[in-house]
Amino acid sequence: GAGVSQSPRYKVTKRGQDVTLRCDPISSHATLYWYQQALGQGPEFLTYFNYEAQPDKSGLPSDRFSAERPEGSISTLTIQRTEQRDSAMYRCASSLSLAGSTGELFFGEGSRLTVL
Amino acid sequence: GQQVMQIPQYQHVQEGEDFTTYCNSSTTLSNIQWYKQRPGGHPVFLIQLVKSGEVKKQKRLTFQFGEAKKNSSLHITATQTTDVGTYFCAGANAGGTSYGKLTFGQGTILTVHP
Repeated sequence: GAGVSQSPRYKVTKRGQDVTLRCDPISSHATLYWYQQALGQGPEFLTYFNYEAQPDKSGLPSDRFSAERPEGSISTLTIQRTEQRDSAMYRCASSLSLAGSTGELFFGEGSRLTVL
Repeated sequence: GQQVMQIPQYQHVQEGEDFTTYCNSSTTLSNIQWYKQRPGGHPVFLIQLVKSGEVKKQKRLTFQFGEAKKNSSLHITATQTTDVGTYFCAGANAGGTSYGKLTFGQGTILTVHP
């Protein structure tokens, strides 16, 4: 597509429910990042993929968080048993650059998650 | 782990005044990027610096990368109201297994008074 697309744009859920966020990167972009951004803060790294490989998931806050990119294109971020502290903007970004280098990140509009 | 610190957190200026934000990393970086995020928007790429001591200019914006590749700065000359937003630096690890990981600073929120 023309840009990075994320869905849903807004998600309100009750504590304890599972949520899945989706990211459709720019086609042919090798690298895909997930960030969590609290209001007034910088994006906090969660994980990234080079195609379908996931070299680093050190930023995932707990084992309730997981991410996939099975075919090296679309990615999902799943949060199990959501807690109120999970409320944040979740941003996906993609980059044309391959592993071993970094290039411009193109961000999507984000998915705002609210856990009641 | 790698930490990227940015100062100041907030900056209020009168239109026409200059503005500078500083970025410091706890580890040596392979490169540093700068992004601008308008209120309600998403981060948008401004520039990438790769070489030690590199200086790049974009109209009224001047970007510098330190000699040790651990710090960077963004300077805006004669600010305009269109410069309003949050400016983030993002540093990439210089080595290790997570070579492509980009760590963002907390950002500097710039307000420009007309």
